[in-house]
Amino acid sequence: DVKVTQSSRYLVKRTGEKVFLECVQDMDHENMFWYRQDPGLGLRLIYFSYDVKMKEKGDIPEGYSVSREKKERFSLILESASTNQTSMYLCASSLTGTSGFYEQYFGPGTRLTVT
Amino acid sequence: KQEVTQIPAALSVPEGENLVLNCSFTDSAIYNLQWFRQDPGKGLTSLLLIQSSQREQTSGRLNASLDKSSGRSTLYIAASQPGDSATYLCAVGRNSGYALNFGKGTSLLVTP
Repeated sequence: DVKVTQSSRYLVKRTGEKVFLECVQDMDHENMFWYRQDPGLGLRLIYFSYDVKMKEKGDIPEGYSVSREKKERFSLILESASTNQTSMYLCASSLTGTSGFYEQYFGPGTRLTVT
Repeated sequence: KQEVTQIPAALSVPEGENLVLNCSFTDSAIYNLQWFRQDPGKGLTSLLLIQSSQREQTSGRLNASLDKSSGRSTLYIAASQPGDSATYLCAVGRNSGYALNFGKGTSLLVTP
């Protein structure tokens, strides 16, 4: 079974802190994604990566950066946390094969509260 | 920009009923469509993936259909059970990239 793990289920940080959210997948997937989920807004894409050291901005990248130094690990960084970044953060991964894009598998999520 | 809409937003049915969840999207140039289940406070579990060239996929009591030309997909759940209670999310794969556009979900409650 594909497994996507996230470093924390719950996290509480103070305004202005630098925050790291870690995601690891164990199925050698090329693609990894970070989404945030908010009531009434649904899931929105923050960043994605299709290869090591490669990244693309999603729909709401402002205030975030990412790092992918190894294929299995994709980190989301909040450079200076703000209260409007309080949210559920979900990581996902998928393959890209010769027959196209495969289904995305999600981690359990990190509920981040910024006070 | 692709918009994905799910109707109804919430649904309550008695155990044993067959039910249909609806998903519509505005841009028919999609790569694939994926249905997920989400339990409260948890991540997403993939239920079914339909490639754009396919019309439907089945897994157990679940059947998902895709009509690209009309911009619609349905998720059919047969003989519903209380354990089916969850939020069901429809997500459309972008033709121009790798990511998904999500609907806001249908919250399903199956009562014993």
